[in-house]
Amino acid sequence: DAKTTQPPSMDCAEGRAANLPCNHSTISGNEYVYWYRQIHSQGPQYIIHGLKNNETNEMASLIITEDRKSSTLILPHATLRDTAVYYCIVRPYGGATNKLIFGTGTLLAVQP
Amino acid sequence: KAGVTQTPRYLIKTRGQQVTLSCSPISGHRSVSWYQQTPGQGLQFLFEYFSETQRNKGNFPGRFSGRQFSNSRSEMNVSTLELGDSALYLCASSLAGTQYFGPGTRLTVL
Repeated sequence: DAKTTQPPSMDCAEGRAANLPCNHSTISGNEYVYWYRQIHSQGPQYIIHGLKNNETNEMASLIITEDRKSSTLILPHATLRDTAVYYCIVRPYGGATNKLIFGTGTLLAVQP
Repeated sequence: KAGVTQTPRYLIKTRGQQVTLSCSPISGHRSVSWYQQTPGQGLQFLFEYFSETQRNKGNFPGRFSGRQFSNSRSEMNVSTLELGDSALYLCASSLAGTQYFGPGTRLTVL
C-alpha cells in the first residue's frame, strides 16, 4: 500500500502558485519523497525528490517539514499544461530495488 | 539523451492470444521496471530487472513475464490474454534511484 495521503483533487488559477500537499507520517529515516505527474494517458514524468532539505529545480520546489511527516510541492506559476495527476511517493533511495508504489494522487486542474 | 522508448504504442489482441511488449531504456540505465495502469487499480508494479536479473516482482499471475537483455533492453510477455489485461503498460528505467518513464503501450484485449 502507498505510504502517502493526498487530496483527490485541487483547482488553481492560471499564473498563480499551485501548492500540492502530501502526508507521509510513517516515513522512515532512509526514505526520500518523490513527486511525479501524469498528464492524461502519458507516462509519469519525474518532477523532483528530496530527503529533508527543501529542493528546487526548473519545474518545481519541494518543501519538507522538519519532522518529515508531510511535504508540499509548489509549482510557482501554474499553466494550463500543468493540469495532471500529481503523485507523491516515498521510497528508500538506492538499495536493492527502484520499485515505486503509487497511490491515487491529486488531480490538479489549472483554470484559465 | 533520448528518453525511454516503448514499442508498439498501441496494440489490439483477442482473448487467449499472447503479446510481447518492448522497452529501450535511457542510454546507461541498467535497471528497467514495468508497471500496469488500469482505471480500477491505478498504477501497479509488475517487475524490475537489473543486469539481466529479475530483482523484484509484483503481485501478478505467472502469465506475466519479462526479461532483460545484455544491452539493458527489456521485454514483457503476457500469455493467454484476458479482457482484464487491457491496460496501459509502462516501462521505466533508472539511474541512481530515480525512475524515468516511457510513453507506454496501450493494450486492448477484445
